[in-house]
Amino acid sequence: EAQVTQNPRYLITVTGKKLTVTCSQNMNHEYMSWYRQDPGLGLRQIYYSMNVEVTDKGDVPEGYKVSRKEKRNFPLILESPSPNQTSLYFCASSSWEALAGIPAPHNEQFFGPGTRLTVL
Amino acid sequence: AQKITQTQPGMFVQEKEAVTLDCTYDTSDQSYGLFWYKQPSSGEMIFLIYQGSYDEQNATEGRYSLNFQKARKSANLVISASQLGDSAMYFCAMREGEDSSYKLIFGSGTRLLVRP
Repeated sequence: EAQVTQNPRYLITVTGKKLTVTCSQNMNHEYMSWYRQDPGLGLRQIYYSMNVEVTDKGDVPEGYKVSRKEKRNFPLILESPSPNQTSLYFCASSSWEALAGIPAPHNEQFFGPGTRLTVL
Repeated sequence: AQKITQTQPGMFVQEKEAVTLDCTYDTSDQSYGLFWYKQPSSGEMIFLIYQGSYDEQNATEGRYSLNFQKARKSANLVISASQLGDSAMYFCAMREGEDSSYKLIFGSGTRLLVRP
């Protein structure tokens, strides 16, 4: 089954304690991305990756790191979490054809189930 | 300025009736894509429908159709024959591709409640 998986699904932590949220996709997609969702703001992009070893900042990258050592994995790292990073986080993946507007059976980004993070 | 604007924070619709969720966008790109996603209370993001900027016909997917008016920069989602399971948050999103950023820009969402 084609899917994007995220772990953990729920996490409560304290300020300053480093954490990693994993993301993995089994669709051989080149493009992966992290978003955070906050009430009234929709989803905002944190970081994205066009391919292995290629990452770039999105709209709200401060306080986050990512890496793309393998095509299937794109972990999100919070080196020193703060309460303002309490949010719902989504990982997403897509083929480059879909993003380039080339007609494809599924012309969308596939989203993971979300990780609800609370930083106390 | 907001790139994606959803002016309806919440809406009600009677079961079996049609409902239109509004979305306007702002871009100077010639090539772009518009998406609608559904987010039920369980939290996952479910893709509904896609419209490319060069597509001449409005996209349709089952009970979902996208009323694309390019000159007005609007991409409203129409759900026909509403069902109780349609109660959810709905997000309009845009992909601007010409600068190679390939990110989705989301609106703030519309919460739809279907009444029995």
